[in-house]
Amino acid sequence: DGGITQSPKYLFRKEGQNVTLSCEQNLNHDAMYWYRQDPGQGLRLIYYSQIVNDFQKGDIAEGYSVSREKKESFPLTVTSAQKNPTAFYLCASSINRGGANVLTFGAGSRLTVL
Amino acid sequence: AQTVTQSQPEMSVQEAETVTLSCTYDTSENNYYLFWYKQPPSRQMILVIRQEAYKQQNATENRFSVNFQKAAKSFSLKISDSQLGDTAMYFCAFINFGNEKLTFGTGTRLTIIP
Repeated sequence: DGGITQSPKYLFRKEGQNVTLSCEQNLNHDAMYWYRQDPGQGLRLIYYSQIVNDFQKGDIAEGYSVSREKKESFPLTVTSAQKNPTAFYLCASSINRGGANVLTFGAGSRLTVL
Repeated sequence: AQTVTQSQPEMSVQEAETVTLSCTYDTSENNYYLFWYKQPPSRQMILVIRQEAYKQQNATENRFSVNFQKAAKSFSLKISDSQLGDTAMYFCAFINFGNEKLTFGTGTRLTIIP
């Protein structure tokens, strides 16, 4: 079945460490996105990519980095520069349907900084 | 900047009753799309319904329907004959036509009481 796979589901990090969250899709979607979800704040866009080898900053990109070397993969690195990294992270991909980007989401990764 | 406001942080309703979740948005554009996404306790985001701003007819998907009031910039979701499986967070989202960034509201936590 086609879908988006995020791993790991749960991740613990010590302060000062970088961690990478994986996102893989087999939907043949061109666009991929990373969102951060905090209680009471909805979803906020971190980075997005419309094509391979190209990506743009979202609303809260500071302290994060991404790469898009393959169409299927869009890993997110949470760097030590991110001051408050504990959150739920959602990866999504999209295909235009009638001109609108309908997002398909992964199951998410929960990052906790110890 | 576009904003999406969900003024009801939490709601609860008896099983089989009808419930309406409110959403307002702000944009200066004329062509855009509106969405309702559902996030059950599994935290998997699922598209519930979509509305194109140029369509006057309200979208309907089985027990889910919207009341789209373009002049008032209002986009409410009505759930009829509510079921226990409808218990979830519901997010309203907005995107301008041709844009790549979806803006989410802060969500409404809906609980269906047996």
